[in-house]
Amino acid sequence: SAVISQKPSRDICQRGTSLTIQCQVDSQVTMMFWYRQQPGQSLTLIATANQGSEATYESGFVIDKFPISRPNLTFSTLTVSNMSPEDSSIYLCSVPHPSGGGEETQYFGPGTRLLVL
Amino acid sequence: DAKTTQPPSMDCAEGRAANLPCNHSTISGNEYVYWYRQIHSQGPQYIIHGLKNNETNEMASLIITEDRKSSTLILPHATLRDTAVYYCILVGKSSGDKLTFGTGTRLAVRP
Repeated sequence: SAVISQKPSRDICQRGTSLTIQCQVDSQVTMMFWYRQQPGQSLTLIATANQGSEATYESGFVIDKFPISRPNLTFSTLTVSNMSPEDSSIYLCSVPHPSGGGEETQYFGPGTRLLVL
Repeated sequence: DAKTTQPPSMDCAEGRAANLPCNHSTISGNEYVYWYRQIHSQGPQYIIHGLKNNETNEMASLIITEDRKSSTLILPHATLRDTAVYYCILVGKSSGDKLTFGTGTRLAVRP
């Protein structure tokens, strides 16, 4: 298994400001994923962060709004820029982990709960 | 769009088996059926996965129909701690390890 921590665990921010969320994994991984979960909704993938290359963003998400850094194989950050109340969500990172037989499962961090006022 | 269909909610009594269905009629040959759950205020947790054979681990059993168009997750003896949202997700090589979450089934275990 993989142990994932996120900082901060929660925050309350003013609109127009930015927040950087950190994701730390206890083992080296090539890919890390960032998800958003809006209130009462399911998870939506924001982007895939590969070490040594630009992050790949899903439809509806752009780098200017959600810049991502991946400085090494155990760490990534997601910044929520120029926040508005609509950005109030839980932000989660995840990493794939071999489960045997060639398949992989994903381990998720505990999430960062963001409230934008 | 999610490629799976699940009932929005279910409930079962504590100690009884919980059987959670999932329809995936458009599943392709290289797609696995994965189940995750999300307990309130936590990140999703992997439960089990399978390709075409039934699978069992310490958490649950997964029954996949012969035509692979549907599956059932079985929690053999549900406890209050199993109250969560359960997601059935198809994962194949084309998805590149990305998970596409549907709306899931909210399971309530009654004391």
